Amino acid sequence: GAVVSQHPSWVICKSGTSVKIECRSLDFQATTMFWYRQFPKQSLMLMATSNEGSKATYEQGVEKDKFLINHASLTLSTLTVTSAHPEDSSFYICSARDPKGAGYGYTFGSGTRLTVV
Amino acid sequence: GDSVTQMEGPVTLSEEAFLTINCTYTATGYPSLFWYVQYPGEGLQLLLKATKADDKGSNKGFEATYRKETTSFHLEKGSVQVSDSAVYFCALGNSGGYQKVTFGTGTKLQVIP
Repeated sequence: GAVVSQHPSWVICKSGTSVKIECRSLDFQATTMFWYRQFPKQSLMLMATSNEGSKATYEQGVEKDKFLINHASLTLSTLTVTSAHPEDSSFYICSARDPKGAGYGYTFGSGTRLTVV
Repeated sequence: GDSVTQMEGPVTLSEEAFLTINCTYTATGYPSLFWYVQYPGEGLQLLLKATKADDKGSNKGFEATYRKETTSFHLEKGSVQVSDSAVYFCALGNSGGYQKVTFGTGTKLQVIP
């Protein structure tokens, strides 16, 4: 089946620095990828929809200047958390729609645990 | 807008007990329905899916039936194992387009020996 690879799986960074998270579709082309954030003991909240070759669409309340998304190719989308602060510490997960037919679900990466100290 | 409501957890069961996790949804059109599982420290994995009314999704002993009349997609398993301990998310997505998936809040299942 479709595989989405996400790196790094965990990262610790100092407050004020930037962190880049990569999301790759390994065996299919993904024109659209999604970035989610998961708070402890809560569900996944969609942050933005990443579209290949165009600007990302951000959900209400998500700062696009803080969470930079680049989808430069059909197999790679990146999320950069700029000037990270402790409140940005969270679990970030990307996903891409399985191309093998409508309604067949979305394939998720394994997630990135970001800790800002 | 679309929404998914799941029963709150945590749910604690003894091994070999019967499991039901309730899920109801509100959506426009004809969504597809999913159950995802998240094991500790990992990302989400698709457990099962159903794309139209009366479809039954099944995998690894888990089942869920798409009930349009009650807008429900309850997850069941006849005999749980310790290895089933995880967080389970009910979700819906609108088929035919690259639309976002809407998740429930997740239900933590703990199975004790």
